[in-house]
Amino acid sequence: GAVVSQHPSWVICKSGTSVKIECRSLDFQATTMFWYRQFPKQSLMLMATSNEGSKATYEQGVEKDKFLINHASLTLSTLTVTSAHPEDSSFYICSATPPGRRVDGYTFGSGTRLTIV
Amino acid sequence: DQQVKQNSPSLSVQEGRISILNCDYTNSMFDYFLWYKKYPAEGPTFLISISSIKDKNEDGRFTVFLNKSAKHLSLHIVPSQPGDSAVYFCAASEGETSGSRLTFGEGTQLTVNP
Repeated sequence: GAVVSQHPSWVICKSGTSVKIECRSLDFQATTMFWYRQFPKQSLMLMATSNEGSKATYEQGVEKDKFLINHASLTLSTLTVTSAHPEDSSFYICSATPPGRRVDGYTFGSGTRLTIV
Repeated sequence: DQQVKQNSPSLSVQEGRISILNCDYTNSMFDYFLWYKKYPAEGPTFLISISSIKDKNEDGRFTVFLNKSAKHLSLHIVPSQPGDSAVYFCAASEGETSGSRLTFGEGTQLTVNP
């Protein structure tokens, strides 16, 4: 089945640094990947839709300059949290699907726990 | 504006009994609904889905019911097993094709006691 790998699984960084999270589709090509953010005991909030070869589509209220998304190839999307601050600490999850599959075919990565100190 | 709501943060049931998890939505454009199971520090895994043209979909121990007029859906697990203990998320989308965006509820922590 479709596998999505997310790396790193957890990271602790100092305030002011930038952090890059990778999302890879291991056995399929993904023209579209999604990035979510989850606060404790809250829902997964869609941050942006990552489109291969074009700019990401950000949800309302998500800072484009803060959360840089690059979808450089059909198997890799990256999320960079720039100049991270403690309020950016959260659980970040990506998802991807092969073209032509329905939404129930979306596969999620295992998530990245980001802690800014 | 939470368009998908799961009002019960937690649910505890005995092994062998039925678990019923509820979900409400407000956006009339949603026409495809999904349930996911999630363990800590992992991504959600798909369980079952239902299109708005149906009112019931069953897959083994899992059944999802949809009441469009009430904008309500529920997930029934019977019989419940200890391995079912996890957080369950309800999600909705406008359309079921690849590229459709999912809107998630807050999740319900299900605990099945042996």
